[in-house]
Amino acid sequence: QLVLTQSPSASASLGASVKLTCTLSSGHSSYAIAWHQQQPEKGPRYLMKLNSDGSHNKGDGIPDRFSGSTSGAERYLTISSLQSEDEAEYYCQTWGTGFVVFGGGTKLTVL
Amino acid sequence: EVQLVQSGAEVKKPGESLKISCKGSGYSFTNYWIGWVRQMPGKGLEWMGTIYPGDSDSRYSPSFQGQVTISADKSISTAYLQWSSLKASDTAMYYCARHGVPGDIDYFEYWGQGTLVTVSS
Repeated sequence: QLVLTQSPSASASLGASVKLTCTLSSGHSSYAIAWHQQQPEKGPRYLMKLNSDGSHNKGDGIPDRFSGSTSGAERYLTISSLQSEDEAEYYCQTWGTGFVVFGGGTKLTVL
Repeated sequence: EVQLVQSGAEVKKPGESLKISCKGSGYSFTNYWIGWVRQMPGKGLEWMGTIYPGDSDSRYSPSFQGQVTISADKSISTAYLQWSSLKASDTAMYYCARHGVPGDIDYFEYWGQGTLVTVSS
């Protein structure tokens, strides 16, 4: 069964970097994922699609501070030079033939 | 510019029916799958189902199969999510979102602004 696992919370200081993790279930390490950001009281926003080889294509207007990387079944979202507006929920999403799966989300607090 | 514009907030009573909409513009509406995503208060995102407006082929999450109906009217570039008998547990924000690659169910690249549905007696 295709499942995405995310830590419920993360925190980092203003101006620092943070790396969020999304883990694909066993046997699914070749899957691409997408990262979405949901700021408080707003709808989700597409950040990037992240392939298993680490290549990624970002959505329109997504700053260079946001980047993605891969290691095995893990998919990462790194945010550098953290700003207050980066405080948000971050969801990973993947898909199979005819279905879509979301991770549980990581709430990022900027200290 | 790709846009998905959803219908406004709804307040309904249990047992009532409801149909909410999502109008796409700025792209070829018939060529991309459109999905619906539920977000219950304080909770995460849940995929409900997705439809290909070109031929109205649809896929549903097992959790939502039989609970809702997804449809589309390609003549007006609009997708719909409907309930025949609402329950209090249907209270949530509902988002439509367009998939990224023509003809594929893959990542969600564009999101609507959301429609808040409140079901209360």
